[in-house]
Amino acid sequence: AQKVTQAQTEISVVEKEDVTLDCVYETRDTTYYLFWYKQPPSGELVFLIRRNSFDEQNEISGRYSWNFQKSTSSFNFTITASHVVDSAVYFCALSASSGSARQLTFGSGTQLTVLP
Amino acid sequence: GAVVSQHPSWVICKSGTSVKIECRSLDFQATTMFWYRQFPKQSLMLMATSNEGSKATYEQGVEKDKFLINHASLTLSTLTVTSAHPEDSSFYICSARVGGFDTEAFFGQGTRLTVV
Repeated sequence: AQKVTQAQTEISVVEKEDVTLDCVYETRDTTYYLFWYKQPPSGELVFLIRRNSFDEQNEISGRYSWNFQKSTSSFNFTITASHVVDSAVYFCALSASSGSARQLTFGSGTQLTVLP
Repeated sequence: GAVVSQHPSWVICKSGTSVKIECRSLDFQATTMFWYRQFPKQSLMLMATSNEGSKATYEQGVEKDKFLINHASLTLSTLTVTSAHPEDSSFYICSARVGGFDTEAFFGQGTRLTVV
């Protein structure tokens, strides 16, 4: 069975601050993929990143960066110099080779509010 | 990236009536689509997996007769909420993957159903 835990329910920061969203996962599979999705108030989920279990290199994309650590089963997401438009719910998700029907297992989400 | 189109975006219906929600993959063929339900400030709850040409696979606790799923073609899956009641009011989201567990999932825009 797979499980994704996002312990932070809500986070508020002031614009231009950095913020890190935590994600801890559980799986018995050695081959799996981790994802982050953003859900703005409009409701549509926007894909941010996909990372496979064999690639532990951190990744940076503009103001976004991801830190994948297999040793602690974590895949944390950092937004640098946050903007008001970053306000959204962010979901971490897991997909494993033994998972049924190729479904994603989602965490409970973190509501990020960036204040002006 | 691939596009999944879902409509309507929102619908209000009277208690006791049925509502159909469509989910289309616009530029790829999806042998499998997923239907989620999301309550306010909560994560996505997988309702069922829709398989083209065969019966849907429902998650435990989801009423098959209440939520009818049809996957008539490789690009279209429909969710019909039958005899809707106010407690069925929710945000419904469909999703499709272009391949296996290692591919990203694309999501429709979601449908906000309000039953009055």
